[in-house]
Amino acid sequence: QSALTQPASVSGSPGQSITISCTGTNNDVGAYNYVSWYQQHPGEAPKLMIYDVSHRPSGVSSRFSGSKSDTTASLTISGLQAEDEADYYCCSYTSSSTLLFGGGTKLTVL
Amino acid sequence: QVQLVQSGAEVKKPGSSVKVSCKASGDTFSRHAISWVRQAPGQGLEWMGALIPNFGSTNYAQKFQDRVTMSADASSRTACMELSSLRFEDTAVYYCVSQGGYYVDYWGQGTLVTVSS
Repeated sequence: QSALTQPASVSGSPGQSITISCTGTNNDVGAYNYVSWYQQHPGEAPKLMIYDVSHRPSGVSSRFSGSKSDTTASLTISGLQAEDEADYYCCSYTSSSTLLFGGGTKLTVL
Repeated sequence: QVQLVQSGAEVKKPGSSVKVSCKASGDTFSRHAISWVRQAPGQGLEWMGALIPNFGSTNYAQKFQDRVTMSADASSRTACMELSSLRFEDTAVYYCVSQGGYYVDYWGQGTLVTVSS
């Protein structure tokens, strides 16, 4: 099963908003509202930022939001800050009862 | 609160097996699933499979179906992942993770497995 498709990199200036896309199929992203997003800084374990498409765990900034349309999910970060610079991964539940990650997107804050 | 503490780094020869353990605290064994995710150097995250404690069942990613075994002992609060027939490309950090639903909300510290001749 191929990884979900994410752009390799995105960038933005402090204060701006950026959106990272995550494209799957009707067997994963398009079939369930079970998309999650993770932030990973170098040398650290990933951190859950969004679950079930648009829900934020306690403690995650409201600057992070998620959405989905058909087979594409999106993570939007508003009011970009230097500490948002990291790798971001999407993940979806699949029709095989597995989880499938995206290839990852490197966010650079200019 | 969930804490996951994994065993230490391993160096293995190609063709051998490795077993990584994960000591869990909190209500880990009553949650949705205990899973394993790996990350090769400079690469992305890869979900390997899950063990569903309430049912004692496992579900593995097709890629690892023939080589991985996941187990857990609720009495000792320990989960294990064994990967056999190791190849150079299995060199990675292996994470023990806890799923609250169809997402991962707790991560272990990671165990580096190096496959080298």
